[in-house]
Amino acid sequence: NAGVTQTPKFRILKIGQSMTLQCTQDMNHNYMYWYRQDPGMGLKLIYYSVGAGITDKGEVPNGYNVSRSTTEDFPLRLELAAPSQTSVYFCASSYSRGWYFGPGTRLTVT
Amino acid sequence: DAKTTQPNSMESNEEEPVHLPCNHSTISGTDYIHWYRQLPSQGPEYVIHGLTSNVNNRMASLAIAEDRKSSTLILHRATLRDAAVYYCIPYGGSQGNLIFGKGTKLSVKP
Repeated sequence: NAGVTQTPKFRILKIGQSMTLQCTQDMNHNYMYWYRQDPGMGLKLIYYSVGAGITDKGEVPNGYNVSRSTTEDFPLRLELAAPSQTSVYFCASSYSRGWYFGPGTRLTVT
Repeated sequence: DAKTTQPNSMESNEEEPVHLPCNHSTISGTDYIHWYRQLPSQGPEYVIHGLTSNVNNRMASLAIAEDRKSSTLILHRATLRDAAVYYCIPYGGSQGNLIFGKGTKLSVKP
């Protein structure tokens, strides 16, 4: 199993640009999550999904959108990128009490 | 959600035991105590979890106080690879969210 994979690993955006962060898991987990982590801080939940077609906001959803058309994929969309969205983004999936995180996408908005 | 208190940082020598404390005095009766760690430039990874009694696995041991208001993660012989930020997270298993604090940054000296 590859676990949770994320692409790209790094990205630099200009203010106002848009992009999609990709996340895929091959463990058939229903629950998937997007977190962001600012320097020296813990992770904050952006959005999560309890299954295909069902998503909900987390703690810091503003400026982001998600969709979940399949069990495997949970892309995160940034519209009109802002410098405040400079962060490391982690995708995760879970089953019962086991959580699995991807390697992260480091995003810089300038 | 239960609030946790962990030391900001700790140091250890290689091959010595490390005891990482966590206070979670407002933990609910059904929350498990989870520990995750985050190696540099990686996503968090599961370490161990428990409810009431002490737990062991190949990575670590978890000692839980009788009143469940605190716990200690024990690494029996620290290696350089154990240098990471360790997060203590009370979690009810409702799949809603893992709430990450700032954790304890463990440094391991050769």
